[in-house]
Amino acid sequence: EIVLTQSPGTLSLSPGERGTLSCRASQSVGTKYNYLGWYQQKPGQAPRLLIYGASNRATGIPDRFSGSGSGTDFTLTISRLEPEDFAVYYCQQYVTSPFTFGPGTKVDIK
Amino acid sequence: EVQLVESGGGLIQPGGSLRLSCAASGFTVRSNYMSWVRQAPGKGLEWVSAIHSDGNTNYADSVKGRFTISRDDSKNTLYLQMNSLRADDTALYYCARGPNLYLPFDSWGQGTLVTVSS
Repeated sequence: EIVLTQSPGTLSLSPGERGTLSCRASQSVGTKYNYLGWYQQKPGQAPRLLIYGASNRATGIPDRFSGSGSGTDFTLTISRLEPEDFAVYYCQQYVTSPFTFGPGTKVDIK
Repeated sequence: EVQLVESGGGLIQPGGSLRLSCAASGFTVRSNYMSWVRQAPGKGLEWVSAIHSDGNTNYADSVKGRFTISRDDSKNTLYLQMNSLRADDTALYYCARGPNLYLPFDSWGQGTLVTVSS
């Protein structure tokens, strides 16, 4: 099973600041393609796909969200936090079953 | 428009059974990998099970032997049969489309709550 670790557990930022979230996998999630996704979840809502293939924005996702990384180390960057971006963010690998999620990073208002 | 609507959750005693349904619209379930994901109260996301378009199934170790995923192509509906339920199965259960090709779970339902308690 591929274990995903996310850091930090909580990130306290102000609107307009830059947020950098990390996700590390216990083994590679791909060679030519990184099967790594990022989701945003707000209270009382289902998760929403933000990033797939480590760096591709999903349909309708603002360009302030960007993903990077390869192999085992990945980053989600929110360039300028908007009020609606305060939420929990999960990474997930989908290269192999079980399709594990990281424990999440909560981005809250400083 | 892609839509997933779960149903079937409720309060059930330990050891009991429950069947969840996920009605899909806007796409064909049989042509996609479909999954169930759960979230215990106040906790993170846990993948539970998936069914491939070819009918092959996968399960998390925590539910293997107790849960069965299936689909009814005529109804375009996904199911999760849950037997021998335990308190730690208490969670909001989401169905999701994926993973498919290069995409993870790109569409999610709103979830159905399962509470296992005496």
